[in-house]
Amino acid sequence: TQLLEQSPQFLSIQEGENLTVYCNSSSVFSSLQWYRQEPGEGPVLLVTVVTGGEVKKLKRLTFQFGDARKDSSLHITAAQPGDTGLYLCAGGRNTGNQFYFGTGTSLTVIP
Amino acid sequence: DVKVTQSSRYLVKRTGEKVFLECVQDMDHENMFWYRQDPGLGLRLIYFSYDVKMKEKGDIPEGYSVSREKKERFSLILESASTNQTSMYLCASRESGYSTDTQYFGPGTRLTVL
Repeated sequence: TQLLEQSPQFLSIQEGENLTVYCNSSSVFSSLQWYRQEPGEGPVLLVTVVTGGEVKKLKRLTFQFGDARKDSSLHITAAQPGDTGLYLCAGGRNTGNQFYFGTGTSLTVIP
Repeated sequence: DVKVTQSSRYLVKRTGEKVFLECVQDMDHENMFWYRQDPGLGLRLIYFSYDVKMKEKGDIPEGYSVSREKKERFSLILESASTNQTSMYLCASRESGYSTDTQYFGPGTRLTVL
């Protein structure tokens, strides 16, 4: 059973379009991280959010942590081919060492 | 920059073979992790270690063991490889146990068991 479910699982869009990826759970987390993984590489951290309702922006990427700290979203504005990759959310807790990863969203941006 | 290296990018083994996957990090991190990655399932934690010779089971430890004799090195062992262990294996390290810390990943080892 996955603690964190992501939707959609696959997304293929044209360059310039906007998109949103969702990360949902029934559990509360102390932090929520988003990673991007490119083919042949390991995931790389994009952002960490820790406060309910927190919004962080990274250029064209906007990350939001849900008010109850159970869910998160990633919004990309004017997607570019360089945004192509697998996006993973990961929830962390203050007790224990484990991060719980989501099921992943594979994004393809077509030029 | 933190660097996490894994001994092989691709590995092909036969059913029943003993398989060793090696991971080395160069930033003196306390915590190291082994995950397997399968399509639609994200990353699932196999084992992690928070200190030399210390280990804890993750969500899917069956069929795997680990070894951490030195701080920088964390090994994953498949005692008797089976076809359902065909997967991408990712190693990661993290400085401490805080939930805001970054996990740094290696490039992965794609293991095929025939």
